[in-house]
Amino acid sequence: EAQVTQNPRYLITVTGKKLTVTCSQNMNHEYMSWYRQDPGLGLRQIYYSMNVEVTDKGDVPEGYKVSRKEKRNFPLILESPSPNQTSLYFCASSPSGFGYEQFFGPGTRLTVL
Amino acid sequence: AQSVAQPEDQVKVAEGNPLTVKCTYSVSGNPYLFWYVQYPNRGLQFLLKYITGDNLVKGSYGFEAEFNKSQTSFHLKKPSALVSDSALYFCARGKSYNTDKLIFGTGTRLQVFP
Repeated sequence: EAQVTQNPRYLITVTGKKLTVTCSQNMNHEYMSWYRQDPGLGLRQIYYSMNVEVTDKGDVPEGYKVSRKEKRNFPLILESPSPNQTSLYFCASSPSGFGYEQFFGPGTRLTVL
Repeated sequence: AQSVAQPEDQVKVAEGNPLTVKCTYSVSGNPYLFWYVQYPNRGLQFLLKYITGDNLVKGSYGFEAEFNKSQTSFHLKKPSALVSDSALYFCARGKSYNTDKLIFGTGTRLQVFP
């Protein structure tokens, strides 16, 4: 089944404790992206990647890191999480950035205490 | 700056009635426009998109949207609403030449009551 998977689905952590949210797609898509969803703000793009070893900042990249060493994986790293990063996070992929719809993962609900 | 506006936080409609979820976009080149739906505890699902061509776009689950360049709008419509259409709907746009940066509206919660 073609899909985007994220792990974990739920995570409660404390301020400053490094964490990684994994994202994987099995559709051989070139483009991958991370978003955060907050009430009243919709989805905001954190980082995106047009292909392996190519990443770029979205609208809200502060406090996050990403890497794209393999085509299928695009992990989101929070080196020192803070309470304002409590949010619902979505990973998405598409064949390329140009005109294609994005396929979304199920989401990761992160709480930083 | 490029932006997308969904002026209604919530839309309520009776089952069987037509529904409209509004979306307007800032004018900047030729926008690529999308509608996504989010059901509870799920990721977003693609409904339809406008890239070029016919202004009336048909998508999944009986939804359609009309691109109106003069009004800079891309409203989502369905002739007859179902209770199962109740969900959160997002309008989004990409740049005219590269949709690597997708800008989302704040979402509209649609409630269809029996």
